[in-house]
Amino acid sequence: EVQLWESGGGLVQPGGSLRLSCAASGFTFSNYGMSWVRQAPGKGLEWVSAISGSGVSSSYADSVKGRFTISRDNSKNTLFLQMNSLRAEDTAVYYCAKQIVGPPFEYWGQGTLVTVSS
Amino acid sequence: QTVVTQEPSFSVSPGGTVTLTCGLSSGSVSTSHYPSWYQQSPGQAPRTVIYSTNTRSSGVPDRFSGSILGNKAALTITGAQADDESDYYCVLYMGSGNRVFGGGTKLTVL
Repeated sequence: EVQLWESGGGLVQPGGSLRLSCAASGFTFSNYGMSWVRQAPGKGLEWVSAISGSGVSSSYADSVKGRFTISRDNSKNTLFLQMNSLRAEDTAVYYCAKQIVGPPFEYWGQGTLVTVSS
Repeated sequence: QTVVTQEPSFSVSPGGTVTLTCGLSSGSVSTSHYPSWYQQSPGQAPRTVIYSTNTRSSGVPDRFSGSILGNKAALTITGAQADDESDYYCVLYMGSGNRVFGGGTKLTVL
């Protein structure tokens, strides 16, 4: 059974940093691309970032480019999102998602809440 | 800027059929966009319904189907049930690793 478990969310001041983690199990982690998707309170889903199975390739939404960095540790089956220069508009529930062999998302974690506020 | 369009809301009677669509502000949706559909109930994580245009995710009932209709991707629910009442989001792959979600459709079953 595929399981994804996000952690690392919390309250942070504007301009601060936070590192999210997503622990994966139930599949060969290094064989699949992974993504982060967020959802601001009362709003829709927004794709944030994706990384290939090997970790060599990554991509970012324009809204986070230059501030967020996605990475993965395939030896520990863990996905990360380093978030710097946080803004109020980054407040959201952040989900990690396992992709199929290709772009679409297949499985989702339960999410972790990030609140950016002074 | 690419905008993915969805109907803000839709209503269907129990047992009825409804088709939600997913379009582009400029251009047509094709299988190369790997259109995918996600169901989300309040307070819950999204659940994958359809990916790569028409592939049902594991455990999804066969009353859900995906297709390309004209210049849009479509999600059809045949024989809608009360627990199909949810928000539905489509996402399109735009190349170079980038994806764009639509704004979502709130489906009411009544």
